[in-house]
Amino acid sequence: EDKVVQSPLSLVVHEGDTVTLNCSYEVTNFRSLLWYKQEKKAPTFLFMLTSSGIEKKSGRLSSILDKKELFSILNITATQTGDSAIYLCAVVIQGKSTFGDGTTLTVKP
Amino acid sequence: DTEVTQTPKHLVMGMTNKKSLKCEQHMGHRAMYWYKQKAKKPPELMFVYSYEKLSINESVPSRFSPECPNSSLLNLHLHALQPEDSALYLCASSQEAWTVWGYEQYFGPGTRLTVT
Repeated sequence: EDKVVQSPLSLVVHEGDTVTLNCSYEVTNFRSLLWYKQEKKAPTFLFMLTSSGIEKKSGRLSSILDKKELFSILNITATQTGDSAIYLCAVVIQGKSTFGDGTTLTVKP
Repeated sequence: DTEVTQTPKHLVMGMTNKKSLKCEQHMGHRAMYWYKQKAKKPPELMFVYSYEKLSINESVPSRFSPECPNSSLLNLHLHALQPEDSALYLCASSQEAWTVWGYEQYFGPGTRLTVT
């Protein structure tokens, strides 16, 4: 059975801290791994990773995939209160995404 | 336009009612999805449409009936629901569903459904 596991499940930090969120997976027919941010409503897309070892960056957020060890990390530097959200990792298999349970990040002022 | 719209935003229905959820996108995407999301849980895939044909049904009960009238529209018809069906129903779209490299999905804001 396909499995996507995120850790930690929740995290509380202070503004300015750096955080690392983890996503490991056991799936067949891997296509890509995606990170989403979910605040009050719908998930919004952050990154799509298909190749091992290539870092994707957007501002203070970055992510990298290790296809040999079957995991990805999402880094957020200099966190702000607006980064408080649930961060979801999803693995695309054939035609569908399987989501992890998410990491709830709370950034305190 | 990178928006997926969903109506209504909120819906309260009794167990004997029939209602429909609507989803629309104008990004030229050929794949559309319905997800169900309970509080503090990730989205659970219900249905995938690819080129207006149902390609995945994740063993969803028949009281949920999807319909894709054209490439921009996706409906979810609801009939005889149970209180445990109360959840946030998310629609999403992507350029394709079946690709070598996977795809990113654009999500709508969701319909918050309460079954009484």
